[in-house]
Amino acid sequence: GDSVTQMEGPVTLSEEAFLTINCTYTATGYPSLFWYVQYPGEGLQLLLKATKADDKGSNKGFEATYRKETTSFHLEKGSVQVSDSAVYFCALPGEGNQFYFGTGTSLTVIP
Amino acid sequence: EPEVTQTPSHQVTQMGQEVILRCVPISNHLYFYWYRQILGQKVEFLVSFYNNEISEKSEIFDDQFSVERPDGSNFTLKIRSTKLEDSAMYFCASRRTSGSRTGELFFGEGSRLTVL
Repeated sequence: GDSVTQMEGPVTLSEEAFLTINCTYTATGYPSLFWYVQYPGEGLQLLLKATKADDKGSNKGFEATYRKETTSFHLEKGSVQVSDSAVYFCALPGEGNQFYFGTGTSLTVIP
Repeated sequence: EPEVTQTPSHQVTQMGQEVILRCVPISNHLYFYWYRQILGQKVEFLVSFYNNEISEKSEIFDDQFSVERPDGSNFTLKIRSTKLEDSAMYFCASRRTSGSRTGELFFGEGSRLTVL
C-alpha cells in the first residue's frame, strides 16, 4: 500500500546552515508528492509540491525533487533562518481519498 | 484567498460529554477530511467524506465519532462521551479533487479539544 517514511527529528541547526530532511515513499501509480509545514500553534500549510518524476517543487527557498528511481522526495534549503523553525511533513495522496503523511520532522533554527 | 475555517479554536469539556467541532470547507471542494494531532505527535487520519457519505475511515474513527454535512456548507465532527485521550488538535481539511492524485489538501487552523 501507499506510505511515506520521513527522517526522524528533532533537527537543530544554526542560522544559515544547510537543511536536508529525508522522505521516501511507497506508492502504486504516480501520485503527486507534497511537503507541508506547521508553524507553532498553526495548522498545516502546503509548502511545495511536485506532480511527476524529476519535477522540482520550490517555495520560500525550499526545494524538493521527485525521484522515481530512489522513491524519494527530500526537502532541502541552502540557508535556513530562525523563521523556518517548524514541523515539516512529507505527504502523498493514496489511490482512494486518503492522504498519507509522514511522522513529521521538527526543525529548530538557532541564531 | 479561500480558506478552511474551523470553530471553536479551543474547547474544554468534561470527560463523558459530547462535543461538536465545526468546519466550513472551501466552497467548490468536494472531499472533506478530519485529522487529529495529539500534542507533539504525528498527524493521524480519522475520516474522509464525499458525496454526503464516509468514503474512508481509520481504526481511530470508532462508534464514538460521527461526521455529517447538515446544510451543504458546514462539515461537523461529533465526539460522543469524550475520554481523556481524545484531547488533541483536530484539523479539518478539504480538497477539490481526488481521483487524479494531484490535488493538495487545504487545512483549517485546527480546534484544540481539552478533556478534563
